[in-house]
Amino acid sequence: KAGVTQTPRYLIKTRGQQVTLSCSPISGHRSVSWYQQTPGQGLQFLFEYFSETQRNKGNFPGRFSGRQFSNSRSEMNVSTLELGDSALYLCASSLGAGDGTDTQYFGPGTRLTVL
Amino acid sequence: AQKITQTQPGMFVQEKEAVTLDCTYDTSDPSYGLFWYKQPSSGEMIFLIYQGSYDQQNATEGRYSLNFQKARKSANLVISASQLGDSAMYFCAMREASGTYKYIFGTGTRLKVLA
Repeated sequence: KAGVTQTPRYLIKTRGQQVTLSCSPISGHRSVSWYQQTPGQGLQFLFEYFSETQRNKGNFPGRFSGRQFSNSRSEMNVSTLELGDSALYLCASSLGAGDGTDTQYFGPGTRLTVL
Repeated sequence: AQKITQTQPGMFVQEKEAVTLDCTYDTSDPSYGLFWYKQPSSGEMIFLIYQGSYDQQNATEGRYSLNFQKARKSANLVISASQLGDSAMYFCAMREASGTYKYIFGTGTRLKVLA
């Protein structure tokens, strides 16, 4: 079974631009979560989508948004990029079961650099 | 409130020896799952092992085992016969069965295996 895929793997943008990251979950997984990882802040939860609906949201400004399609693929968008948005963005998929057994599997990440 | 604590920012271990990475958690939910992930320098988070709160036995996956002490709220990862390829960041995570379904991650422990 194919794992979680993320595209692109690397991205360089300039301040003020916007960016869209894509995540394809493991087949059969209905939940997709996004995380931002930086050396200073560690792993921070952005949001989770389940069956095309945002189920959870972290504490990020409205510049960060996402969506999920009917095939469970998800996109994350960051508008008006700031230098502090430079980070590794990780996507994770899971079955989405509403209990503690639901295991997340991560993609390879997209490394975003904002100049 | 959910909380995961990893008190060891970094650890060293000799090749072929065993090492224990500490993780304590806090939750009021009686049903929850505990997870360990490995993150090599490449960035991808690799799922290692899962322990459910109602599991009577400690989870094991190959060289990985989870020392689950429910009363102490600890879920330490034990890696036996360390290999050079085990050098990585290790994250402990928890998900409650009720509430927001969010995963909570610890700050991680950087493990370095010495030849």
